[in-house]
Amino acid sequence: QKEVEQNSGPLSVPEGAIASLNCTYSDRGSQSFFWYRQYSGKSPELIMFIYSNGDKEDGRFTAQLNKASQYVSLLIRDSQPSDSATYLCAVRDTGRRALTFGSGTRLQVQP
Amino acid sequence: DVKVTQSSRYLVKRTGEKVFLECVQDMDHENMFWYRQDPGLGLRLIYFSYDVKMKEKGDIPEGYSVSREKKERFSLILESASTNQTSMYLCASHPSGIGELFFGEGSRLTVL
Repeated sequence: QKEVEQNSGPLSVPEGAIASLNCTYSDRGSQSFFWYRQYSGKSPELIMFIYSNGDKEDGRFTAQLNKASQYVSLLIRDSQPSDSATYLCAVRDTGRRALTFGSGTRLQVQP
Repeated sequence: DVKVTQSSRYLVKRTGEKVFLECVQDMDHENMFWYRQDPGLGLRLIYFSYDVKMKEKGDIPEGYSVSREKKERFSLILESASTNQTSMYLCASHPSGIGELFFGEGSRLTVL
């Protein structure tokens, strides 16, 4: 079974700092990569996706993909207390419609 | 706006009961999914459907079945609920091709 690994955390950062969330995946043929944010008791919501090696920026968020090393990361600049949530990494494996999710990293931004 | 609606946010059932979880999407998406989410285990795929009356097993299909009689509706069925099926159940949909999954609000099931 294909795996997606994340450190469960909690990752604690002060307000205004950069939060760095990491994810590794086992299927070398994986095509697309997603970061979801999930607040307690809520369903996941998409933050951003990335398909190609390199960086992709969207506002305070930057996704980084390195297919050779099989990892994907999410950087959150100028972290805010409202960013406190669980961040789920998800991967679409070769020939599969569904996403495989990691178990999530809990982020705490301290005011 | 994209809308995935799950019929029940909270359910409490007894062991052995038959349980239906309903999901409706209004985006004309071909693909629909049922995941369950448990602490420390993340989201695990139970079943998905890529067309009306078509279904495929996910990673943990044991104890579950599904039904998709109409494109917009995907039902998860627990034939005989057990306590280890106490969980958060998330329905999602997705158009054909690449792209994100759109999630419903979730159904928290407790089996006593």
